[in-house]
Amino acid sequence: EIVLTQSPATLSLSPGERATLSCRASQSVSTYLAWYQQKPGQAPRLLIYEVSNRATGIPARFSGSGSGTDFTLTISSLEPEDFAVYYCQQRTNWPPITFGGGTKVEI
Amino acid sequence: EVQLLESGGGLVQPGESLRLSCAASSLTFSSFAMNWVRQAPGKGLEWVSAISGSGDSTYYADSVKGRFTISRDNSKNTLYLQMNNLRAEDTAVYYCAKGLQWLVNLDFFDLWGQGTMVAVSS
Repeated sequence: EIVLTQSPATLSLSPGERATLSCRASQSVSTYLAWYQQKPGQAPRLLIYEVSNRATGIPARFSGSGSGTDFTLTISSLEPEDFAVYYCQQRTNWPPITFGGGTKVEI
Repeated sequence: EVQLLESGGGLVQPGESLRLSCAASSLTFSSFAMNWVRQAPGKGLEWVSAISGSGDSTYYADSVKGRFTISRDNSKNTLYLQMNNLRAEDTAVYYCAKGLQWLVNLDFFDLWGQGTMVAVSS
């Protein structure tokens, strides 16, 4: 099973600042990595798939990069609605599909 | 509007069974794999099971293999999860989630339901 480790666990920032979230895989996942955003009481929402492709309707301030085992989600300028928990997910060595433990972006 | 709507959650005792349903509207249901993903209270996301668009292929996490069965009825645009021999550690919100890409069995998830709570306790 591929383990995804996200860091940091919590990121404390202010609106307008840049957020950089990390996801490291225990073995290569090629480009089969996605990012999700989850707000309290809501289902997750797909942000980025295959490392750097924005899902439908996702603002351009969200971007993804990386390859192999190290990946980054960047939010260029935080909006108030961006404060949430973010998860990475891989689908390479499936099953199982696995998720990272999450990074909480808080004010 | 394309949406997924789960139902069937509730409170059960250890060892009991429950069947979850997920009704899909306004999408070409049979062309996409479907999944169940769960989230224990205050915890992260855990993939549970997937089923191909045709229903011919199924996949399970080790934690539920042999106890849970995923199925679908494409004539009713509905996904199911039969959960037997439930344990306390199965307590979670269960989401159904649609695969992103046409005819890809295990994929990313671009559409999620609102979730249904399953609580296992004596």
